[in-house]
Amino acid sequence: AQSVTQPDIHITVSEGASLELRCNYSYGATPYLFWYVQSPGQGLQLLLKYFSGDTLVQGIKGFEAEFKRSQSSFNLRKPSVHWSDAAEYFCAVGVPWNSGNTPLVFGKGTRLSVIA
Amino acid sequence: GAGVSQSPSNKVTEKGKDVELRCDPISGHTALYWYRQSLGQGLEFLIYFQGNSAPDKSGLPSDRFSAERTGGSVSTLTIQRTQQEDSAVYLCASSLFMGQTRDTEAFFGQGTRLTVV
Repeated sequence: AQSVTQPDIHITVSEGASLELRCNYSYGATPYLFWYVQSPGQGLQLLLKYFSGDTLVQGIKGFEAEFKRSQSSFNLRKPSVHWSDAAEYFCAVGVPWNSGNTPLVFGKGTRLSVIA
Repeated sequence: GAGVSQSPSNKVTEKGKDVELRCDPISGHTALYWYRQSLGQGLEFLIYFQGNSAPDKSGLPSDRFSAERTGGSVSTLTIQRTQQEDSAVYLCASSLFMGQTRDTEAFFGQGTRLTVV
């Protein structure tokens, strides 16, 4: 079964600084990878996803993520953080249908705080 | 509707009572997921429905938890004899069958906040 680890529980960055949130997955083949964001009191919103092809994926709100097979990672990045980016970020992994009916598995999340 | 709808949005119940949480997925989505989100615990997988296949119940924490999906659409999560540790936000999501289309993703409802007192 697949699994995902987000090593950082809480990260604080200054507004305007760059950001990288880490995500490592465990799966025998190439999985489907997602980043979701949950703002305070809000539901989960998809930021970006990777299925195949170009390993650098662009998402909404200026976010991008890079799939690195050799490191089993799918880290989320943003060059310049805005105060409105303060939220909880979740990495998730899914598997192709022909690998079995398996659920989407989420990491425990990374809480991002942005300071002036 | 256009999105995943969950009801009620908030539920306060007494310990020992049964509760039912409802999820209306996006029309046409064959996959439906239930997750539980407790403070600081991330999203805990509970149960997964995919089409007419037997549901994946591997995430249900105890036999007090059960879920059904009628007609391949609406789903109900039932918690019997609720305990205080069941207090959490219960999230439902739906998606097209993972892998059939490159554009698939899980769409989440706003959740039901359950408080057991």
